[in-house]
Amino acid sequence: DAGVIQSPRHEVTEMGQEVTLRCKPISGHNSLFWYRQTMMRGLELLIYFNNNVPIDDSGMPEDRFSAKMPNASFSTLKIQPSEPRDSAVYFCASTTGDSSNQPQHFGDGTRLSIL
Amino acid sequence: GQNIDQPTEMTATEGAIVQINCTYQTSGFNGLFWYQQHAGEAPTFLSYNVLDGLEEKGRFSSFLSRSKGYSYLLLKELQMKDSASYLCAVYGNNRLAFGKGNQVVVIP
Repeated sequence: DAGVIQSPRHEVTEMGQEVTLRCKPISGHNSLFWYRQTMMRGLELLIYFNNNVPIDDSGMPEDRFSAKMPNASFSTLKIQPSEPRDSAVYFCASTTGDSSNQPQHFGDGTRLSIL
Repeated sequence: GQNIDQPTEMTATEGAIVQINCTYQTSGFNGLFWYQQHAGEAPTFLSYNVLDGLEEKGRFSSFLSRSKGYSYLLLKELQMKDSASYLCAVYGNNRLAFGKGNQVVVIP
């Protein structure tokens, strides 16, 4: 069975550029999460979708970050303009049903470096 | 908000037992997860507790005390492949919050 698929796996770009991260959740999962992981702050929830609708975006750092889920099988996280402090590993995760008691399945992450 | 505390690192010998603790403060508690994360990889699910007590799953066991806001993950018969970060995640306030993880280093 295919797991959560993220692309690209690695991205290196200069500050000011637009960055788009992509995620395909596990088929049949109706909840999708975007996380950011750094050594300093650990794993932080950025935004959470349920049935393609954003439910909680309180973790989105600022207006430079936006996320969309146009359908059940695809989501994007966009940073525009990017800054060096955005450098981190970005994970997408999905789960089914009530995420309070269902484990989340994580993609392999996108390692983002902003120069 | 939620506050989750985990010790940062511990070293243990192959074949030994190690206990990883997690204390938390949250409202509307609705479950606690443990995840394993190897360096450079994604977190993977290990266990889930919502009621007080011990859940055993092979070499791994997880304990929860809701009144104390405390959980631990017990790793038995340590193997080299168990060297990883172990993340405690608490579901409260309708969201899942992760601790920063406890790095376990297994030595021969």
